Amino acid sequence: AQSVTQLGSHVSVSEGALVLLRCNYSSSVPPYLFWYVQYPNQGLQLLLKYTSAATLVKGINGFEAEFKKSETSFHLTKPSAHMSDAAEYFCAVSEGAGRRALTFGSGTRLQVQP
Amino acid sequence: NAGVTQTPKFRVLKTGQSMTLLCAQDMNHEYMYWYRQDPGMGLRLIHYSVGEGTTAKGEVPDGYNVSRLKKQNFLLGLESAAPSQTSVYFCATISGGRTEAFFGQGTRLTVV
Repeated sequence: AQSVTQLGSHVSVSEGALVLLRCNYSSSVPPYLFWYVQYPNQGLQLLLKYTSAATLVKGINGFEAEFKKSETSFHLTKPSAHMSDAAEYFCAVSEGAGRRALTFGSGTRLQVQP
Repeated sequence: NAGVTQTPKFRVLKTGQSMTLLCAQDMNHEYMYWYRQDPGMGLRLIHYSVGEGTTAKGEVPDGYNVSRLKKQNFLLGLESAAPSQTSVYFCATISGGRTEAFFGQGTRLTVV
């Protein structure tokens, strides 16, 4: 069975500061990992994905994430936060076979202070 | 090219009423999913379909039924709505050759 744990339901950073959102996963097979962003009253938009190629994955809007198998982690980072980054972020895992459904973490709301 | 379209976007139901949520996709994706989103719980899978005419239960299927009579449409039904079904419902699709999901804009349902 697959599962995702996101540490910290709320994260607050200052504009220009480093953004670090934590995600740990559990999977019985090599996983596919995703980060999605949700802006208020909208659906989820894919930020980036890991599908067993490079362990450092670059996504949209300057975000990147590093897959660390030994730590079962897939933390999301951005060097310099922008006000427009304020949103809710979800980490998700898929075992990529069979039903292919994504299992989501509980989400982290990012607040960016001016 | 609309992607994934959910109808309706908002709805208020009385306890015991029934309704159907429609998810329509124009991307020819094989897999379709219904999730519910509740505060602090992320998205939880209700039902899913791996192709036309097929459906299966997800993590939280009780109180819901689904049908996929056409490849492009996935319907979620509530036969007798309960306040515990107050939530935001999202439809998602995945192409048979890919791994990432594409989401609709959501349906905000309130059961009073």
